[in-house]
Amino acid sequence: DVKVTQSSRYLVKRTGEKVFLECVQDMDHENMFWYRQDPGLGLRLIYFSYDVKMKEKGDIPEGYSVSREKKERFSLILESASTNQTSMYLCASSLSASGSSSYNSPLHFGNGTRLTVT
Amino acid sequence: AQSVAQPEDQVNVAEGNPLTVKCTYSVSGNPYLFWYVQYPNRGLQFLLKYITGDNLVKGSYGFEAEFNKSQTSFHLKKPSALVSDSALYFCAVRLDSNYQLIWGGGTKLSIK
Repeated sequence: DVKVTQSSRYLVKRTGEKVFLECVQDMDHENMFWYRQDPGLGLRLIYFSYDVKMKEKGDIPEGYSVSREKKERFSLILESASTNQTSMYLCASSLSASGSSSYNSPLHFGNGTRLTVT
Repeated sequence: AQSVAQPEDQVNVAEGNPLTVKCTYSVSGNPYLFWYVQYPNRGLQFLLKYITGDNLVKGSYGFEAEFNKSQTSFHLKKPSALVSDSALYFCAVRLDSNYQLIWGGGTKLSIK
């Protein structure tokens, strides 16, 4: 089974702090994603990466950055945390097979990190 | 604009009854359709997908979904609901040549 591990289940940080959310997957997946989940808004994509050192902005990248130095690890960084970044953060990975079948690959999610910024 | 709609925020079903969770989409191109489930305090789990071929797709935990191209729908179904099916369900669409998913807002399924 694919395992996607997020380093913290619950995190409480103060406004202005720099926050690191870590995600590790053990199935050699090329693609990795960071989402945030808020009631009534569903899932919104923050950033994704389809290869080491590659990153693409999602729908809501403002206030966030990412790092992918190794294939198995994808970090989300909140440069200066604000209260409106209080949310559930979900990391996911997927296989990137050759051709169009890569787009059929389901996402495998971690259990999420619930971040509270006070 | 491309979108996915789950018209019901919540669906309540008695245990043993059939259940349906609705999903409609509005996209250009060929859609790849997915259903995911989220149990409390957990990440999302993949249930099933439609890529091509038979319009009825079977997935995990006894769930199935029917792709209807003319109605642009991909409703999730199960013949007999279990209390353990209570969870949040998300429909998602991926387009050709695009890694990104378009997500529905989620439907909370409550089985009693």
